[in-house]
Amino acid sequence: EPEVTQTPSHQVTQMGQEVILRCVPISNHLYFYWYRQILGQKVEFLVSFYNNEISEKSEIFDDQFSVERPDGSNFTLKIRSTKLEDSAMYFCASSDSLAKNIQYFGAGTRLSVL
Amino acid sequence: SQQGEEDPQALSIQEGENATMNCSYKTSINNLQWYRQNSGRGLVHLILIRSNEREKHSGRLRVTLDTSKKSSSLLITASRAADTASYFCATRIGTYKYIFGTGTRLKVLA
Repeated sequence: EPEVTQTPSHQVTQMGQEVILRCVPISNHLYFYWYRQILGQKVEFLVSFYNNEISEKSEIFDDQFSVERPDGSNFTLKIRSTKLEDSAMYFCASSDSLAKNIQYFGAGTRLSVL
Repeated sequence: SQQGEEDPQALSIQEGENATMNCSYKTSINNLQWYRQNSGRGLVHLILIRSNEREKHSGRLRVTLDTSKKSSSLLITASRAADTASYFCATRIGTYKYIFGTGTRLKVLA
């Protein structure tokens, strides 16, 4: 069964460093999402992406964040200058149809900012 | 309060018992979804109920929706140890934004 894959599974970085989290959505999907989940807390929407542009973003998704679909298969989330509070699980999701409303999630990347 | 709040926050039951968790939301919705998250893993879609539906079944899952009260419930019947997970409701706000609830941590004891 097709699945969303995320790499790396765990990323450790120093505060102030840039990180890129990578996702390979399901191949025929058109809508892509990034979410964040701080340990033990709710899943928070960061951004949605469709037709090579951001569709919607939350207040969390400030100028430190950017997304890109560089080659038609990968979907990346970049954090320019990480802060301690960026430590969280980051989940990528994709869907093939807004009508179906079903998102398929990757297993996540655990980001630890030291 | 937030869009999408589940209660209880945590629930512990014996295998074979039924588990009920509730979700309340604030805005009008077209549909509401439930997802499961096993510890340290991504979310898995369980079931979707549309705003014009009151009840929906899928296997051992039963979802109800009361749009007048802006609430939904998820019932898992005859629970199994493998049902141990966190359960989240989710609503779509606008076209491209989904809001997940605070989650219910379910523990099923064998």
